[in-house]
Amino acid sequence: SQQGEEDPQALSIQEGENATMNCSYKTSINNLQWYRQNSGRGLVHLILIRSNEREKHSGRLRVTLDTSKKSSSLLITASRAADTASYFCATARGIYNQGGKLIFGQGTELSVKP
Amino acid sequence: EAGVTQFPSHSVIEKGQTVTLRCDPISGHDNLYWYRRVMGKEIKFLLHFVKESKQDESGMPNNRFLAERTGGTYSTLKVQPAELEDSGVYFCASSPRPYTIGTQYFGPGTRLLVL
Repeated sequence: SQQGEEDPQALSIQEGENATMNCSYKTSINNLQWYRQNSGRGLVHLILIRSNEREKHSGRLRVTLDTSKKSSSLLITASRAADTASYFCATARGIYNQGGKLIFGQGTELSVKP
Repeated sequence: EAGVTQFPSHSVIEKGQTVTLRCDPISGHDNLYWYRRVMGKEIKFLLHFVKESKQDESGMPNNRFLAERTGGTYSTLKVQPAELEDSGVYFCASSPRPYTIGTQYFGPGTRLLVL
C-alpha cells in the first residue's frame, strides 16, 4: 500500500467549522509536507514539518507530526468556502536513496459549504 | 519570479497517438520532477532530473514514456503510443540546488485525456 495515506477520503463541513485531516506513512522521513490542489489548478505547497518537529503553525493551518506513530494531521481552523480543495500529504526521504522524490497519499477531498 | 509552467494545459488525443508535454522549471532550479495523478488516485512520482541527467526514473510506468531535459532547462515528457490508462494530470515540479529536501514548486499540470 501507499505511503502517505490520508483519512478521511472526503470531508464536508460548514463554513466556520474546523477541518482535520490525517496522514499515515510507512518509512522514515526527512520531512512531511502538505499540499492543496484546487479544482483545475496545480499543487500549492502549504506547510513543511521536519522530522524533528512536533507541531507547526501557519496562519489558520496547524500541522502535527508523530514520528513514533508515523502519522501527521492537518487542522484548518475557521474554514472558508475557498478552502474547498484536495489536500495531500507528501513525505520526503534522503536524497541519496530516494532522489528527493515526494511520496503522496491519495488525498482528502474537502468541501466547505457556505 | 515566474513559477513552473507547463504546456499544454489540456490535451485530448486518441489511443495510439503521440503526445508531448513540456515543463519549464523556475529559472535556476537544477532539480526537475514529473508526477502524475491518474483518475483521482494518488499523485505518483515518475522521474527526477538533476540538470540534464536522470537522477531517478524508477516511477516511469513503461517504455512508452520518454523524458528529456535538453541543456538542463526545460523538460519534455513524450507518451508514444498513448493508451487509455495514461489519462490523468501530469505535474511538473522544480527545486533549487543545493537540495535540502524541502519544498518542491509545482506547475499547474497538463490534463491528458486519451480516448
